[in-house]
Amino acid sequence: DAGVTQSPTHLIKTRGQQVTLRCSPISGHKSVSWYQQVLGQGPQFIFQYYEKEERGRGNFPDRFSARQFPNYSSELNVNALLLGDSALYLCASSLGGASGNTIYFGEGSWLTVV
Amino acid sequence: AQSVAQPEDQVNVAEGNPLTVKCTYSVSGNPYLFWYVQYPNRGLQFLLKYITGDNLVKGSYGFEAEFNKSQTSFHLKKPSALVSDSALYFCAVRDVPSGSARQLTFGSGTQLTVLP
Repeated sequence: DAGVTQSPTHLIKTRGQQVTLRCSPISGHKSVSWYQQVLGQGPQFIFQYYEKEERGRGNFPDRFSARQFPNYSSELNVNALLLGDSALYLCASSLGGASGNTIYFGEGSWLTVV
Repeated sequence: AQSVAQPEDQVNVAEGNPLTVKCTYSVSGNPYLFWYVQYPNRGLQFLLKYITGDNLVKGSYGFEAEFNKSQTSFHLKKPSALVSDSALYFCAVRDVPSGSARQLTFGSGTQLTVLP
C-alpha cells in the first residue's frame, strides 16, 4: 500500500508569492495533519483535519490555511511568503478518532523562499 | 501544555555497542509517546509508541523504549548499534485532555552517529 504522498517535493518561491502544497493520506486514513520543520529543529504542528473539519491549529499566522477534501486528501496554502517560511513541510495521516493512533508522515515538500 | 526534552543534541556510539537516546516529557494527563527517525533529506519514519500496558515497548529495526512514569522519561534503546542506525531521532508526545487536537509535540531531535 502507498504511504502518505506529498507534492511537489521541492519548490522555490519568491517573497510575497503564494504556495499550495498537496497531500494524499494512506488509504483508509481520515485524519490529515501538517507540520513545519525548520532546519535543525523538530517539526511544529500547523493544522489537523478530520473528516474534512479543522480539529486543531498551531501557533501560525493567518497566512497559513488548509483544507481537506471529500477523498481525505489535503492542501496547505501559504500566502505572502516570507524568507522564514523556508522549511520542510510534512503531511501526516492517521486513522483518526482514537488519540493512540499512529501518525505516519510523508517525505515532505521542501520550500525555499528567496 | 505538553512538551518534550531531548537533552542530547548528539550521541556517538561504536558499532555493536548498546545505544540509548534520552527523552523526557511533560503533560497534564496521560501521555502517548512516540519515537520517529529521520534520515537526511527524508520524512519521518515511525519506530514505536507507548499508549498503555507494558512499560517496555518493542518497535522497528530492533529498537525498544522504556516508559518510566515516575521519571517522566521514554528513552530509546537498542542492544547492538549498526552504522545504518545513524540518523536524527525525534521523541514526541501527545496529551489528550478533552477537546484538544491530536497533534504531536516533538523534541528538538538527537543526532545519532554509529562509528564503525
